[in-house]
Amino acid sequence: GAGVSQSPSNKVTEKGKDVELRCDPISGHTALYWYRQSLGQGLEFLIYFQGNSAPDKSGLPSDRFSAERTGGSVSTLTIQRTQQEDSAVYLCASSLFQSSYNSPLHFGNGTRLTVT
Amino acid sequence: DAKTTQPPSMDCAEGRAANLPCNHSTISGNEYVYWYRQIHSQGPQYIIHGLKNNETNEMASLIITEDRKSSTLILPHATLRDTAVYYCIVRVIYAGNMLTFGGGTRLMVKP
Repeated sequence: GAGVSQSPSNKVTEKGKDVELRCDPISGHTALYWYRQSLGQGLEFLIYFQGNSAPDKSGLPSDRFSAERTGGSVSTLTIQRTQQEDSAVYLCASSLFQSSYNSPLHFGNGTRLTVT
Repeated sequence: DAKTTQPPSMDCAEGRAANLPCNHSTISGNEYVYWYRQIHSQGPQYIIHGLKNNETNEMASLIITEDRKSSTLILPHATLRDTAVYYCIVRVIYAGNMLTFGGGTRLMVKP
């Protein structure tokens, strides 16, 4: 079946502009996660959504970052007034149940954001 | 989540078994061991997970020591396409399903 889909695959933007990154999770997956990975670095947790619960925003690096998930499915990560240090690959993942602790996360291939 | 320790890099000859170790000496009884890998320019890919019994699937085998303080991921016949960074993660079961990724092991499969 279809996996996690992210768009665009690449985004180049000028410093100070806003960007929106989109994630389509696997159908039926109730949990959705955003991570980012800077060049040569590990994965950094940003935010996660589970069903209708309030999202866990504990990983967002600043108030320029926000995310929403409409209808429990598609999610959009928004970065306002982008800075060069925001350049990274932004990865989205989804999983079946939060309470099912052995449910693996399935990742998309990410959006590579370059801020010039 | 318990901290994991992995060697930063390993080499393996094509066709041979790749054995990737992971130390998780502070693991608690309600934590599973997960393995993911990340091939260049792709998102992480789930491989296998286990609690205390050894596990096998079409991709790999997971051997967990009896005291659960370490584990080994085994790729029985490594191919060039298995070249990737392999992450060992232990994961708590309380609310918050996220994974915490460490540095991983960069496996290079050589012809």
